Amino acid sequence: DQQVKQNSPSLSVQEGRISILNCDYTNSMFDYFLWYKKYPAEGPTFLISISSIKDKNEDGRFTVFLNKSAKHLSLHIVPSQPGDSAVYFCAASAGNTDKLIFGTGTRLQVFP
Amino acid sequence: ETGVTQTPRHLVMGMTNKKSLKCEQHLGHNAMYWYKQSAKKPLELMFVYNFKEQTENNSVPSRFSPECPNSSHLFLHLHTLQPEDSALYLCASSQVQGDEQFFGPGTRLTVL
Repeated sequence: DQQVKQNSPSLSVQEGRISILNCDYTNSMFDYFLWYKKYPAEGPTFLISISSIKDKNEDGRFTVFLNKSAKHLSLHIVPSQPGDSAVYFCAASAGNTDKLIFGTGTRLQVFP
Repeated sequence: ETGVTQTPRHLVMGMTNKKSLKCEQHLGHNAMYWYKQSAKKPLELMFVYNFKEQTENNSVPSRFSPECPNSSHLFLHLHTLQPEDSALYLCASSQVQGDEQFFGPGTRLTVL
Protein backbone atom coordinates (compact mmCIF):
# COMPACT_ATOMS: atom_id res chain seq x y z
CA ASP A 1 0.00 0.00 0.00
CA GLN A 2 1.46 3.30 -1.10
CA GLN A 3 1.45 5.75 1.79
CA VAL A 4 2.60 8.75 -0.25
CA LYS A 5 0.97 9.34 -3.60
CA GLN A 6 1.68 11.71 -6.42
CA ASN A 7 -1.17 11.06 -8.80
CA SER A 8 0.06 13.26 -11.65
CA PRO A 9 3.05 11.67 -13.36
CA SER A 10 3.70 14.79 -15.41
CA LEU A 11 2.90 18.49 -15.58
CA SER A 12 3.60 21.03 -18.30
CA VAL A 13 3.63 24.76 -17.50
CA GLN A 14 4.54 27.88 -19.40
CA GLU A 15 7.49 29.93 -18.19
CA GLY A 16 6.41 32.67 -15.80
CA ARG A 17 3.24 30.87 -14.73
CA ILE A 18 2.62 29.00 -11.49
CA SER A 19 3.44 25.30 -11.17
CA ILE A 20 1.43 23.35 -8.61
CA LEU A 21 2.55 19.86 -7.71
CA ASN A 22 0.32 17.77 -5.49
CA CYS A 23 0.93 15.00 -3.00
CA ASP A 24 -1.47 12.94 -0.88
CA TYR A 25 -0.65 10.71 2.06
CA THR A 26 -2.54 8.12 4.05
CA ASN A 27 -0.57 7.75 7.28
CA SER A 28 -1.89 10.19 9.88
CA MET A 29 1.33 9.70 11.89
CA PHE A 30 3.38 11.55 9.29
CA ASP A 31 4.52 14.84 10.76
CA TYR A 32 7.31 15.97 8.49
CA PHE A 33 7.15 16.42 4.75
CA LEU A 34 9.78 17.20 2.17
CA TRP A 35 10.04 17.93 -1.51
CA TYR A 36 13.00 16.76 -3.53
CA LYS A 37 13.92 17.78 -7.06
CA LYS A 38 15.75 15.39 -9.37
CA TYR A 39 17.48 16.09 -12.67
CA PRO A 40 18.32 13.21 -15.02
CA ALA A 41 21.48 11.30 -14.06
CA GLU A 42 21.63 13.08 -10.70
CA GLY A 43 20.44 12.19 -7.22
CA PRO A 44 17.48 14.00 -5.68
CA THR A 45 18.20 17.42 -4.20
CA PHE A 46 16.37 18.59 -1.12
CA LEU A 47 14.12 21.54 -1.95
CA ILE A 48 11.85 22.51 0.91
CA SER A 49 10.19 20.93 3.93
CA ILE A 50 7.32 21.53 6.30
CA SER A 51 6.42 20.12 9.69
CA SER A 52 2.88 19.33 10.70
CA ILE A 53 2.72 22.25 13.13
CA LYS A 54 2.67 24.62 10.16
CA ASP A 55 0.41 24.87 7.16
CA LYS A 56 2.72 26.88 4.93
CA ASN A 57 6.42 27.28 4.39
CA GLU A 58 7.93 29.62 1.84
CA ASP A 59 11.44 29.79 0.41
CA GLY A 60 11.89 32.18 -2.46
CA ARG A 61 9.87 30.99 -5.44
CA PHE A 62 8.89 27.79 -3.65
CA THR A 63 6.00 27.45 -1.22
CA VAL A 64 4.71 24.27 0.34
CA PHE A 65 1.17 24.09 1.71
CA LEU A 66 -0.01 21.40 4.10
CA ASN A 67 -3.66 20.50 4.65
CA LYS A 68 -3.61 17.97 7.48
CA SER A 69 -7.34 17.32 7.50
CA ALA A 70 -7.22 16.38 3.83
CA LYS A 71 -3.81 14.68 4.16
CA HIS A 72 -2.66 16.71 1.23
CA LEU A 73 0.32 18.88 0.48
CA SER A 74 1.26 20.90 -2.52
CA LEU A 75 4.34 22.64 -3.86
CA HIS A 76 3.88 25.94 -5.63
CA ILE A 77 6.59 27.35 -7.85
CA VAL A 78 6.06 30.90 -9.02
CA PRO A 79 7.20 32.14 -11.40
CA SER A 80 8.19 28.90 -13.09
CA GLN A 81 11.47 28.86 -14.99
CA PRO A 82 12.82 26.43 -17.61
CA GLY A 83 15.52 25.37 -15.12
CA ASP A 84 12.74 24.08 -12.87
CA SER A 85 12.11 21.26 -15.35
CA ALA A 86 12.84 18.11 -13.37
CA VAL A 87 11.14 15.31 -11.48
CA TYR A 88 9.75 16.36 -8.10
CA PHE A 89 9.39 13.84 -5.29
CA CYS A 90 7.25 14.29 -2.23
CA ALA A 91 8.43 12.47 0.91
CA ALA A 92 7.08 12.04 4.42
CA SER A 93 8.23 10.74 7.76
CA ALA A 94 6.82 10.14 11.22
CA GLY A 95 8.98 11.31 14.09
CA ASN A 96 12.63 12.34 14.01
CA THR A 97 14.16 8.94 13.37
CA ASP A 98 11.75 7.25 11.02
CA LYS A 99 12.58 6.60 7.39
CA LEU A 100 11.39 8.80 4.56
CA ILE A 101 8.57 7.44 2.44
CA PHE A 102 8.70 8.79 -1.09
CA GLY A 103 6.04 9.27 -3.73
CA THR A 104 6.55 8.16 -7.33
CA GLY A 105 7.41 11.64 -8.56
CA THR A 106 5.92 14.20 -10.94
CA ARG A 107 7.83 15.29 -14.00
CA LEU A 108 7.56 19.04 -14.45
CA GLN A 109 8.31 20.60 -17.79
CA VAL A 110 8.48 24.38 -18.04
CA PHE A 111 8.39 25.60 -21.63
CA PRO A 112 9.23 29.09 -22.93
CA GLU B 1 35.52 16.60 -3.53
CA THR B 2 32.41 17.84 -1.83
CA GLY B 3 29.03 16.37 -1.00
CA VAL B 4 28.21 12.77 -1.70
CA THR B 5 30.03 10.91 -4.46
CA GLN B 6 29.28 7.52 -5.96
CA THR B 7 31.36 5.28 -8.17
CA PRO B 8 30.97 3.91 -10.70
CA ARG B 9 28.30 6.05 -12.34
CA HIS B 10 27.34 3.26 -14.71
CA LEU B 11 27.77 -0.49 -14.31
CA VAL B 12 26.81 -3.36 -16.55
CA MET B 13 27.22 -6.82 -15.11
CA GLY B 14 26.23 -10.36 -15.80
CA MET B 15 24.19 -12.42 -13.40
CA THR B 16 27.23 -14.39 -12.25
CA ASN B 17 29.48 -11.39 -11.63
CA LYS B 18 30.50 -9.91 -8.30
CA LYS B 19 30.79 -6.14 -8.18
CA SER B 20 30.69 -3.37 -5.59
CA LEU B 21 29.21 0.11 -5.53
CA LYS B 22 31.02 2.74 -3.54
CA CYS B 23 29.67 5.82 -1.81
CA GLU B 24 31.70 8.48 -0.06
CA GLN B 25 30.42 11.54 1.79
CA HIS B 26 32.50 14.60 2.63
CA LEU B 27 29.90 16.27 4.85
CA GLY B 28 30.89 14.93 8.24
CA HIS B 29 27.62 13.04 8.49
CA ASN B 30 27.03 10.00 10.65
CA ALA B 31 24.17 8.28 8.83
CA MET B 32 24.32 6.76 5.36
CA TYR B 33 21.65 5.14 3.23
CA TRP B 34 21.25 2.99 0.15
CA TYR B 35 18.15 3.50 -2.03
CA LYS B 36 16.94 1.78 -5.17
CA GLN B 37 15.02 3.70 -7.80
CA SER B 38 13.15 1.73 -10.44
CA ALA B 39 11.06 3.29 -13.16
CA LYS B 40 7.58 4.40 -12.02
CA LYS B 41 8.20 3.31 -8.46
CA PRO B 42 8.93 5.35 -5.36
CA LEU B 43 12.44 5.46 -4.10
CA GLU B 44 12.92 2.28 -2.07
CA LEU B 45 15.04 2.44 1.04
CA MET B 46 17.37 -0.57 1.24
CA PHE B 47 19.77 -0.08 4.13
CA VAL B 48 20.54 2.48 6.80
CA TYR B 49 23.73 2.87 8.80
CA ASN B 50 23.89 5.20 11.78
CA PHE B 51 27.32 5.69 13.36
CA LYS B 52 28.60 2.69 11.34
CA GLU B 53 25.93 0.38 12.75
CA GLN B 54 23.28 -1.04 10.45
CA THR B 55 19.94 0.13 11.78
CA GLU B 56 17.68 -0.89 8.94
CA ASN B 57 17.50 -3.65 6.37
CA ASN B 58 14.32 -3.18 4.41
CA SER B 59 13.81 -6.87 3.51
CA VAL B 60 16.56 -6.67 0.90
CA PRO B 61 17.63 -9.98 -0.73
CA SER B 62 20.95 -11.35 0.44
CA ARG B 63 22.48 -10.90 -3.01
CA PHE B 64 22.87 -7.27 -1.88
CA SER B 65 25.40 -6.95 0.93
CA PRO B 66 26.19 -3.55 2.47
CA GLU B 67 29.39 -2.59 4.23
CA CYS B 68 30.12 0.56 6.22
CA PRO B 69 33.77 0.58 7.34
CA ASN B 70 33.54 4.15 8.67
CA SER B 71 31.09 7.03 8.72
CA SER B 72 32.38 8.42 5.43
CA HIS B 73 32.23 5.30 3.28
CA LEU B 74 29.46 2.95 2.31
CA PHE B 75 29.67 0.00 -0.05
CA LEU B 76 27.05 -2.20 -1.66
CA HIS B 77 28.44 -5.58 -2.68
CA LEU B 78 26.53 -7.27 -5.48
CA HIS B 79 26.51 -10.98 -6.18
CA THR B 80 24.43 -13.12 -8.55
CA LEU B 81 21.98 -10.36 -9.34
CA GLN B 82 18.87 -10.72 -11.47
CA PRO B 83 17.83 -8.61 -14.46
CA GLU B 84 15.05 -7.09 -12.37
CA ASP B 85 17.75 -5.63 -10.10
CA SER B 86 18.61 -3.21 -12.89
CA ALA B 87 17.92 0.25 -11.50
CA LEU B 88 19.48 3.47 -10.27
CA TYR B 89 21.13 2.93 -6.88
CA LEU B 90 21.35 6.07 -4.81
CA CYS B 91 23.42 6.72 -1.75
CA ALA B 92 22.51 9.43 0.74
CA SER B 93 23.84 10.77 4.00
CA SER B 94 22.51 12.86 6.85
CA GLN B 95 23.92 14.29 10.06
CA VAL B 96 22.18 11.52 11.99
CA GLN B 97 19.43 9.10 11.01
CA GLY B 98 16.20 10.98 10.45
CA ASP B 99 17.74 14.30 9.44
CA GLU B 100 17.47 15.76 5.96
CA GLN B 101 19.33 13.62 3.49
CA PHE B 102 21.81 14.62 0.85
CA PHE B 103 21.98 12.35 -2.15
CA GLY B 104 24.75 11.24 -4.44
CA PRO B 105 24.32 11.14 -8.21
CA GLY B 106 23.59 7.42 -8.25
CA THR B 107 24.96 4.38 -10.03
CA ARG B 108 22.94 3.15 -12.97
CA LEU B 109 23.15 -0.62 -12.84
CA THR B 110 22.21 -2.92 -15.69
CA VAL B 111 22.14 -6.65 -15.08
CA LEU B 112 22.23 -8.76 -18.23
